[in-house]
Amino acid sequence: GENVEQHPSTLSVQEGDSAVIKCTYSDSASNYFPWYKQELGKRPQLIIDIRSNVGEKKDQRIAVTLNKTAKHFSLHITETQPEDSAVYFCAARNSGNTPLVFGKGTRLSVIA
Amino acid sequence: DAEITQSPRHKITETGRQVTLACHQTWNHNNMFWYRQDLGHGLRLIHYSYGVQDTNKGEVSDGYSVSRSNTEDLPLTLESAASSQTSVYFCASTPGGTGELFFGEGSRLTVL
Repeated sequence: GENVEQHPSTLSVQEGDSAVIKCTYSDSASNYFPWYKQELGKRPQLIIDIRSNVGEKKDQRIAVTLNKTAKHFSLHITETQPEDSAVYFCAARNSGNTPLVFGKGTRLSVIA
Repeated sequence: DAEITQSPRHKITETGRQVTLACHQTWNHNNMFWYRQDLGHGLRLIHYSYGVQDTNKGEVSDGYSVSRSNTEDLPLTLESAASSQTSVYFCASTPGGTGELFFGEGSRLTVL
């Protein structure tokens, strides 16, 4: 089955700096890669996703890149703000109607 | 508004007792999932269902069961609660395919 590794487990950045979180996956048939943000005490919520026919997707200050050959994808947050502080989860799903497999999460702290 | 709700939000129980966590969604989604969240482990899949009368085991299904008698509900039962099942449990649903996964607010279970 699919296995998703996520790094780093914790990340601290100064406000205004960029943050990058990286994930690798094992199943070359995976074709959907979402990122979820979980604020303290809240539920995970989708912030951006990318499909395997696209190499990069951007939404304001966040972007995701996908390298299918290397089987890794990354989340980039630019101009970080204190409200970006949260746990971020990457996930992958292979073709068909299979469940998402999540990475173990990255706790991002943005220091004002 | 359509939504996904979990109950109870907090529960304390004793080892050996049976516990049921409820999950109800009003989106008419076919696919429903139960995850548990533990520090250092991220979100791990317990059980999932792709429709009425369909149930499937996930990565950490031992000690848990689910049933799907209608589209809206997927209750999670711990037959004989163990301290290792102390966790935060999230129910989630999606219409299918690579649609967004929507999470409930979570249920915090403590087994003493």
